[in-house]
Amino acid sequence: NAGVTQTPKFQVLKTGQSMTLQCAQDMNHNSMYWYRQDPGMGLRLIYYSASEGTTDKGEVPNGYNVSRLNKREFSLRLESAAPSQTSVYFCASRRQGSGNTIYFGEGSWLTVV
Amino acid sequence: AQSVAQPEDQVNVAEGNPLTVKCTYSVSGNPYLFWYVQYPNRGLQFLLKYITGDNLVKGSYGFEAEFNKSQTSFHLKKPSALVSDSALYFCAVRDDNFNKFYFGSGTKLNVKP
Repeated sequence: NAGVTQTPKFQVLKTGQSMTLQCAQDMNHNSMYWYRQDPGMGLRLIYYSASEGTTDKGEVPNGYNVSRLNKREFSLRLESAAPSQTSVYFCASRRQGSGNTIYFGEGSWLTVV
Repeated sequence: AQSVAQPEDQVNVAEGNPLTVKCTYSVSGNPYLFWYVQYPNRGLQFLLKYITGDNLVKGSYGFEAEFNKSQTSFHLKKPSALVSDSALYFCAVRDDNFNKFYFGSGTKLNVKP
């Protein structure tokens, strides 16, 4: 009963390095999301994918790219990490339907030094 | 534009007392509202939602929320708080296009024995 799985759980990067956060869901959900969580700011949407093959920008997309590899997987890439991208990243997914809720992964703690 | 506000960064309550965590919202259409809870170092877990119908919504762990259209509020309540309820609580509203969820900044609930 995995739900939404994110890897890695923890990562330390140097400024300018690149990395990809992986996310997979086994609930056959159409929509997938990437959020970042910063103290006092709640969750902010980075990118989302309403369905396989589509991606759209959220509130804070700068510095990130995403790939909806298939229905199960939605990855987030930092091409050139900056200290401002130090945050906790959450992947989430949701089944289509107006009243359906979002299910979250356990989070990925990223520190950029 | 859709948004939610959680006016209290922190709420302190004694075990056994009733608790309220406040949320107000702004939406352009019909509101779809959600409450989530986050325990330390974990992802967000769904508590309850309001889609339509009865203004008092019951959810997990004995929580309930009252939807008030005239005051554009969706406050989370519980008749008798437990120490184990101590966590971070997020209110969220769904965007008109069904796919975006906007989260408040979160309220830390401290329940003291």
